[in-house]
Amino acid sequence: DGGITQSPKYLFRKEGQNVTLSCEQNLNHDAMYWYRQDPGQGLRLIYYSQIVNDFQKGDIAEGYSVSREKKESFPLTVTSAQKNPTAFYLCASSESYEQYFGPGTRLTVT
Amino acid sequence: GQNIDQPTEMTATEGAIVQINCTYQTSGFNGLFWYQQHAGEAPTFLSYNVLDGLEEKGRFSSFLSRSKGYSYLLLKELQMKDSASYLCAAQYAGNNRKLIWGLGTSLAVNP
Repeated sequence: DGGITQSPKYLFRKEGQNVTLSCEQNLNHDAMYWYRQDPGQGLRLIYYSQIVNDFQKGDIAEGYSVSREKKESFPLTVTSAQKNPTAFYLCASSESYEQYFGPGTRLTVT
Repeated sequence: GQNIDQPTEMTATEGAIVQINCTYQTSGFNGLFWYQQHAGEAPTFLSYNVLDGLEEKGRFSSFLSRSKGYSYLLLKELQMKDSASYLCAAQYAGNNRKLIWGLGTSLAVNP
């Protein structure tokens, strides 16, 4: 089945540690996105990539980094510079405008 | 700016009809999406409107007025499983494939 996978579903880290969230898609989509969602809030764009080896900052990129070495993969690293990393992280992909979402990773940093 | 506005919360009764409104900036507007998101889960696509008018898909319908910068999602014959957050998102020219998202409307369906 085609789709987007994110793993793990729940992730716990100590403050000061970098952590990488995975996102893989087999939909052959060119564009991929990372969003952050806090309780009761909408989706805020962290980074997006239109094509392999290219990506742009979204609205809240500070403290995050990404890479896009393969079309299928768009990992997100939450660095120790991110002040409030605890959140629900959603990855999405698109061919045109409709975005397809992965199941999300809930990151808790203590 | 490209602000998207929608109500924060709504409550309705099982079996009833509810309309969730969304307003957006019209300059450069291309199309409007509605997504459903259950708590702790990923958003799922409901509808995409580009042209004015009403599009019906079973119990859910979506309406767009491009000149007024207005859309609504109409949910009929409400079921308990319709309790979720409904996200409105607009696509604008020149934004590549980025979408501008509203904060979502949390709908509670009561028995």
